[in-house]
Amino acid sequence: SQQGEEDPQALSIQEGENATMNCSYKTSINNLQWYRQNSGRGLVHLILIRSNEREKHSGRLRVTLDTSKKSSSLLITASRAADTASYFCASYIPGNTPLVFGKGTRLSVIA
Amino acid sequence: SQTIHQWPATLVQPVGSPLSLECTVEGTSNPNLYWYRQAAGRGLQLLFYSVGIGQISSEVPQNLSASRPQDRQFILSSKKLLLSDSGFYLCAWSVGGGPYFGPGTRLTVT
Repeated sequence: SQQGEEDPQALSIQEGENATMNCSYKTSINNLQWYRQNSGRGLVHLILIRSNEREKHSGRLRVTLDTSKKSSSLLITASRAADTASYFCASYIPGNTPLVFGKGTRLSVIA
Repeated sequence: SQTIHQWPATLVQPVGSPLSLECTVEGTSNPNLYWYRQAAGRGLQLLFYSVGIGQISSEVPQNLSASRPQDRQFILSSKKLLLSDSGFYLCAWSVGGGPYFGPGTRLTVT
């Protein structure tokens, strides 16, 4: 079953703009992670945020987590053409079950 | 540092033929291992995961199987491929954090 749902499904922005992607999930989680996938490639782990954290930064990435709303957002600031990729959220559900992925947001950054 | 290898990178197989995809992890011990499949333009579907040698959990009943003959080796197999088995197959590992993904195998069943 699908645990995470990313929104929007697709996003197109100009280089230099900020990109915001959202993720909603259904059940309680231990942590939530964001991944990037360039076309035809494997997934690259971007950032992990634990259920007791509200915000986390890594370079141009900012992730927020609202456990009361069961949602997370990924903000990419000052986007670059190289940020063009699909972005997935995934979560660990208590009980040590494997990571469950959403369907992803396709981000296009136009130079 | 840890690395994960998958091969082959691409594969074209006829319907009804067997399949064997291999994944190995280096630089860690007793990892959890995973096989995911991604259909074109879709999200990731967990197929199998393993918490130890010989321990395999199946998430989706189908004509695929998985085995873990060694601690850091995970194999995805099929006796007879179907057209619907086409997709991008990703192996991943985790120890505490992650999982961390391999480069994937693009399988086309013709």
